[in-house]
Amino acid sequence: EVQLVESGGGLVQPGGSLRLSCAASGFTFSNYEMHWVRQAPGKGLEWVSFIHPTSTFIYYADSVKGRFTISRDNAKNSLYLQMNSLRAEDTAVYYCVRELEIEDAFDIWGQGTVVTVS
Amino acid sequence: QSVLTQPPSASGTPGQRVTISCSGSSSNIGNNDVSWYQQLPGTAPKLLIYMNNQRPSGVPDRFSGSKSGTSASLAISGLRSEDENDYYCAVWDDSLSVWMFGGGTKVTVL
Repeated sequence: EVQLVESGGGLVQPGGSLRLSCAASGFTFSNYEMHWVRQAPGKGLEWVSFIHPTSTFIYYADSVKGRFTISRDNAKNSLYLQMNSLRAEDTAVYYCVRELEIEDAFDIWGQGTVVTVS
Repeated sequence: QSVLTQPPSASGTPGQRVTISCSGSSSNIGNNDVSWYQQLPGTAPKLLIYMNNQRPSGVPDRFSGSKSGTSASLAISGLRSEDENDYYCAVWDDSLSVWMFGGGTKVTVL
């Protein structure tokens, strides 16, 4: 079964750091572009970051640029998001998402991990 | 960053057809494929439409997508109570090098 499982969320104080992880299974992780997407309580979806299969290209939303770092370890089938200088507005459910490159669509979503900055 | 505009809400009675719009610009919708996502309360979003009008396997043909110029639309025909969810459009923006989501539309079945 194709699956993405996030972990690492929790309660952190403003200015603190947190590292999210996403374990991929059921597919060849190294072949896929991956993303983090978040959703603040009661709000819509917000794209956070993208990483190319070989980490050649990385992009961030302006709201997290300079504070968050996306990375991946293809040998471990894992995606990461290092979050520093956290703010109250970073409070959200963070989803690990697989992209179908040719179709330009997010086809597999994890269940999400909750980050609370307070 | 620029915005994809969706109506915050849409509604219809069972059996009706409901259409949700997603308005962008030449650097996003005008130049790239749009996808649509359905989100049930408390769950992760699910891919509903990709490449403007293609349905993944398992998605009922009651759901259809279209794109014209810098706007896209999702239509739900034969509205059913289980369609009462949130719907989001998404597209890549060439100028900003970011992915963008619309603000989301909550569909209510009256």
